[in-house]
Amino acid sequence: SAVISQKPSRDICQRGTSLTIQCQVDSQVTMMFWYRQQPGQSLTLIATANQGSEATYESGFVIDKFPISRPNLTFSTLTVSNMSPEDSSIYLCSVPLIEGYGYTFGSGTRLTVV
Amino acid sequence: SQKIEQNSEALNIQEGKTATLTCNYTNYSPAYLQWYRQDPGRGPVFLLLIRENEKEKRKERLKVTFDTTLKQSLFHITASQPADSATYLCASNAGNNRKLIWGLGTSLAVNP
Repeated sequence: SAVISQKPSRDICQRGTSLTIQCQVDSQVTMMFWYRQQPGQSLTLIATANQGSEATYESGFVIDKFPISRPNLTFSTLTVSNMSPEDSSIYLCSVPLIEGYGYTFGSGTRLTVV
Repeated sequence: SQKIEQNSEALNIQEGKTATLTCNYTNYSPAYLQWYRQDPGRGPVFLLLIRENEKEKRKERLKVTFDTTLKQSLFHITASQPADSATYLCASNAGNNRKLIWGLGTSLAVNP
């Protein structure tokens, strides 16, 4: 199954700034997913990133706040823009397992906005 | 709305015993359920998938059941070890696409 390298693993950012999170996959994958995991809440899908097309955002998430790039089949970035303390969370990227319906995840980015 | 619920209380068991975690779903009929393990500071790791037409699936010390009448999946770890201590997440498909609905997870602590 694919291995994902996610960077940074953690960051502390000032409100009003932006942070870009990167995910590099060791094999080509069509679909990549970006999640948010807030304390005490379940994993929430932010958007689905397909190579060569615009990302598809879930209800409650907009492109201006969470722009996503997917320049090729092994790489994607998620930017958290104009951050506020409410954006403090763990952000995760995920791709489908090649052999089935499960998913593999990056190690996550723990973001704290102060 | 479609919902998955897992026991929010942490489960503490003695090493060697069987741990049983519960996942209940409401307001939909998933085609499959998935179980993941998540350690602190790490992303979830896929463990098992069970389809709606399968009653039970096993992988080494892990066993998952799917009861469509009770709308429930049970996740068992037999001969538990302290290394099994983690949070276990249940997830299912939300429809015909590959979007998943996730439970909050149940924290398991296996005491030596």
